[in-house]
Amino acid sequence: AQSVTQLDSQVPVFEEAPVELRCNYSSSVSVYLFWYVQYPNQGLQLLLKYLSGSTLVKGINGFEAEFNKSQTSFHLRKPSVHISDTAEYFCAVSQRTNAGKSTFGDGTTLTVKP
Amino acid sequence: ETGVTQSPTHLIKTRGQQVTLRCSSQSGHNTVSWYQQALGQGPQFIFQYYREEENGRGNFPPRFSGLQFPNYSSELNVNALELDDSALYLCATERGAGYNEQFFGPGTRLTVL
Repeated sequence: AQSVTQLDSQVPVFEEAPVELRCNYSSSVSVYLFWYVQYPNQGLQLLLKYLSGSTLVKGINGFEAEFNKSQTSFHLRKPSVHISDTAEYFCAVSQRTNAGKSTFGDGTTLTVKP
Repeated sequence: ETGVTQSPTHLIKTRGQQVTLRCSSQSGHNTVSWYQQALGQGPQFIFQYYREEENGRGNFPPRFSGLQFPNYSSELNVNALELDDSALYLCATERGAGYNEQFFGPGTRLTVL
């Protein structure tokens, strides 16, 4: 079994400030890790994914995440946010045998203020 | 644009009724997963189909069933609707083994009254 905990349900931040959205996971086997963004009334869009290799993963829209196996974390970061980054962000984990069977966290609402 | 479409966009049903939700994906995407996203929560895995066969199921009762067709479309059927079935239903497709990336549709918002 696997689980995902997103440590902050809401993160307010001012425009052009840095942001970190925290994600911890648990699993008894090796996993793949994902971050998705969801805008209102839309489906999920993949921001980035960690499959193997370098623990620092770069994604779209200037986001990056770092996989920390010892701390079982996969925190998402952006050095300077924009108003358009306001959205819901989901961390997800899947077993390496099937990336399609993902377990999601409950999401973090990022609100960027002017 | 992910190339994944879902219909209908919104749907209102009453308790006890049955509903069919549809998903259409890109050619070659032979794996489809369905998720239920209740308000304020993350998506929960319902089941997955690979080459028209069920390939895993989450913690959902048998009244949730599915089909996958050779033309890369699929259906989610829910019988005996309950109030708690009100949610956004998302389908996600993959090109197949080794690609490790799902493409999500925009979802169908189901309201059960």
